[in-house]
Amino acid sequence: KAGVTQTPRYLIKTRGQQVTLSCSPISGHRSVSWYQQTPGQGLQFLFEYFSETQRNKGNFPGRFSGRQFSNSRSEMNVSTLELGDSALYLCASSSQGWEQYFGPGTRLTVT
Amino acid sequence: GENVEQHPSTLSVQEGDSAVIKCTYSDSASNYFPWYKQELGKRPQLIIDIRSNVGEKKDQRIAVTLNKTAKHFSLHITETQPEDSAVYFCAATGNTGTASKLTFGTGTRLQVTL
Repeated sequence: KAGVTQTPRYLIKTRGQQVTLSCSPISGHRSVSWYQQTPGQGLQFLFEYFSETQRNKGNFPGRFSGRQFSNSRSEMNVSTLELGDSALYLCASSSQGWEQYFGPGTRLTVT
Repeated sequence: GENVEQHPSTLSVQEGDSAVIKCTYSDSASNYFPWYKQELGKRPQLIIDIRSNVGEKKDQRIAVTLNKTAKHFSLHITETQPEDSAVYFCAATGNTGTASKLTFGTGTRLQVTL
């Protein structure tokens, strides 16, 4: 089975812009979770989607949003980018909510 | 919410020695505890996990133990090899009813020297 894929792998954006990141889960997996990884805050949970519905949400501002499509692919959007949003954004897929398998991440740099 | 503390932050061992990383969690409702290995520039990789109805689980050179009463769990790596060098993260589910919302520890950088 192909692993979790994420696009793009690298992004450079300017403060105030918005960005959309994409995640394709392992075939058959219906749960997709998103995490932000930074040197200072570590790995932090953003949100989880299961069958096109947001099932869990972390403690991030409303500028961070996501969605899931009927084929389980997921996107996350960050609006009005801030310098502090620079991070590695990881998605993870799971079949029934137990073992989670991570994608390679999207490295976002905000200048 | 759940809070996970991980120690030590760095660990250096000689090849062939054992390494132990410890984590504590705060939410007694947590029921799933995975461990991830992340090499530089790579994705976190699930290496072993344990559920709350099990006290110990082993997979070749890697083992995890769980003490629910004390709310702590540990990763044990025996006969360490240079390719074990990486950052290791523990995680717990918290009271969410699903393992898809993980709270991670701050990571342990393991260096295995020759």
